[in-house]
Amino acid sequence: GDSVTQMEGPVTLSEEAFLTINCTYTATGYPSLFWYVQYPGEGLQLLLKATKADDKGSNKGFEATYRKETTSFHLEKGSVQVSDSAVYFCALSRGSTLGRLYFGRGTQLTVWP
Amino acid sequence: EAGVAQSPRYKIIEKRQSVAFWCNPISGHATLYWYQQILGQGPKLLIQFQNNGVVDDSQLPKDRFSAERLKGVDSTLKIQPAKLEDSAVYLCASSPAGQGEYEQYFGPGTRLTVT
Repeated sequence: GDSVTQMEGPVTLSEEAFLTINCTYTATGYPSLFWYVQYPGEGLQLLLKATKADDKGSNKGFEATYRKETTSFHLEKGSVQVSDSAVYFCALSRGSTLGRLYFGRGTQLTVWP
Repeated sequence: EAGVAQSPRYKIIEKRQSVAFWCNPISGHATLYWYQQILGQGPKLLIQFQNNGVVDDSQLPKDRFSAERLKGVDSTLKIQPAKLEDSAVYLCASSPAGQGEYEQYFGPGTRLTVT
């Protein structure tokens, strides 16, 4: 069945460090891929998405590239800020299942000044 | 544009009691989802509505959980009777029908504690 595997957290970084959060997926066909973020005390928000192979999603300095050959969608940011501290979720959906999202377990990121 | 509204935000009940959660999606969104997020895990779909019809309820524990979406707008999720393992955050999300990317918009969630 469809599933998403994320690197385990927590991840702790100093401000301006480089961030990578690994995400791999299992799905039939051609899923859409997403990164959602959950800031402390807030609901899930869409951070970025990619709908086909080789697409690059980007937002707020974060990027992720849809790699079908490695079934991956790793999240990266060149220089993190304290305000990036949050839980990040990788997710996929397929049109044949009318958009239901399959989420990874989430990765807690803490950035220290 | 108003976001997805949920109430209550927090609820504490004893096991075997019943509880209900309410969700009002973004105006015009045809699809509504209820997810359960247990601490330390990603959200898991419980039920999905398209307008007022159920599309997918395969993960809903139907012996104790029920949900309805009357008139294809707001929705109620009920648990009766609650168990300790039902302690979680219950998230409601909505999306417009027909969008290929199926972006979902989430409400703030209801945190349920069963004691």
